[in-house]
Amino acid sequence: DQQVKQNSPSLSVQEGRISILNCDYTNSMFDYFLWYKKYPAEGPTFLISISSIKDKNEDGRFTVFLNKSAKHLSLHIVPSQPGDSAVYFCAAQRGSTLGRLYFGRGTQLTVWP
Amino acid sequence: DVKVTQSSRYLVKRTGEKVFLECVQDMDHENMFWYRQDPGLGLRLIYFSYDVKMKEKGDIPEGYSVSREKKERFSLILESASTNQTSMYLCASSSLTSGRAAYEQYFGPGTRLTVT
Repeated sequence: DQQVKQNSPSLSVQEGRISILNCDYTNSMFDYFLWYKKYPAEGPTFLISISSIKDKNEDGRFTVFLNKSAKHLSLHIVPSQPGDSAVYFCAAQRGSTLGRLYFGRGTQLTVWP
Repeated sequence: DVKVTQSSRYLVKRTGEKVFLECVQDMDHENMFWYRQDPGLGLRLIYFSYDVKMKEKGDIPEGYSVSREKKERFSLILESASTNQTSMYLCASSSLTSGRAAYEQYFGPGTRLTVT
């Protein structure tokens, strides 16, 4: 049973606009959430994370929002650039599980000029 | 800079062959992980290890085994390869003692395995 869900397999956005990628989770014991970006034929790379005690974390063009009551987080990319086209994975961590991350299935973001 | 390397980028094997995928990390990380990535299914955890000679099953361990004889090296073994094991295999590592609270995983470049 998937504990982290990304319900949109794909998203298409025009360059310069905002990209919003969504993620839902079911386990209230998760204490950290991470976003990874993956280009074809490469391994995923870490993008940004947020602790469960915060509701927002910002790093340049990337901002992650956490709504604990709704068990929902989102990644905002502003402004979107063609180089942002990649698969984005949401992941969650539970402190007691030896560093294991629970991944969503990913969302393919395409940014067109 | 953390570096995770995988022994091959591309591999073609025949059904029934025994296949070894090797992963090496250079940051003295305690935790190592093997995933497979398939279209529409995301990253699925096969096995992970939190110490030398220790291993834990992930979500899809059937048909696979692992070996961790040294801290820096984690091997994935397909005992008898089958066509449904054709996939992208990704290795990752992370540290229990990192200064960050999130156990950020560092991934290798992946091995594209084709079983014919």
